[in-house]
Amino acid sequence: DTGVSQDPRHKITKRGQNVTFRCDPISEHNRLYWYRQTLGQGPEFLTYFQNEAQLEKSRLLSDRFSAERPKGSFSTLEIQRTEQGDSAMYLCASSLARGAIVNTEAFFGQGTRLTVV
Amino acid sequence: AQTVTQSQPEMSVQEAETVTLSCTYDTSESDYYLFWYKQPPSRQMILVIRQEAYKQQNATENRFSVNFQKAAKSFSLKISDSQLGDAAMYFCASSKIQGAQKLVFGQGTRLTINP
Repeated sequence: DTGVSQDPRHKITKRGQNVTFRCDPISEHNRLYWYRQTLGQGPEFLTYFQNEAQLEKSRLLSDRFSAERPKGSFSTLEIQRTEQGDSAMYLCASSLARGAIVNTEAFFGQGTRLTVV
Repeated sequence: AQTVTQSQPEMSVQEAETVTLSCTYDTSESDYYLFWYKQPPSRQMILVIRQEAYKQQNATENRFSVNFQKAAKSFSLKISDSQLGDAAMYFCASSKIQGAQKLVFGQGTRLTINP
């Protein structure tokens, strides 16, 4: 396992189109996070899964955004009817929390750079 | 709610010298974690160092150490013997201990290493 992987690395789309990103976490990690990072800013939390359950969503996650994590493995983030303001880097991270074992280190993927034109 | 503030958008240091990056935070939690993450130009975020708020001893990792002042809500990162590979964006972050442990990041400090 080489870490958290995200696909695609770059995506250019026309305004109004739908896009979907994929994140494959480290295999034994049961927690998965999505963050959004705009240019020159720190990442902002979007949503979080523990196994297949989506437990928290940020107010940043409008109804055009949806995330899934079927079977508690990989996750997808879909943006419908993209807008220019959606242009950003979308980062995925994973960590392990199981019973008494709570690993506070979140491992990040390299991100998907979305450009909406 | 948690907030994290980094007041230095850019810093530079001569190779082999020491540099300190500043971070202040605010939280209503009694227990929490603080982190410094490094984001090199390749964009993958890497954990540099972690501090548990309930520990008084400052965390150290090789050339990286923190100065954690809980009462002042200050969490600075000191990089000793700076190397060219240290050049990156550095983000200070906090998280709760319980629950989602989502990270709240500061705005980042771009560190340049001058040869």
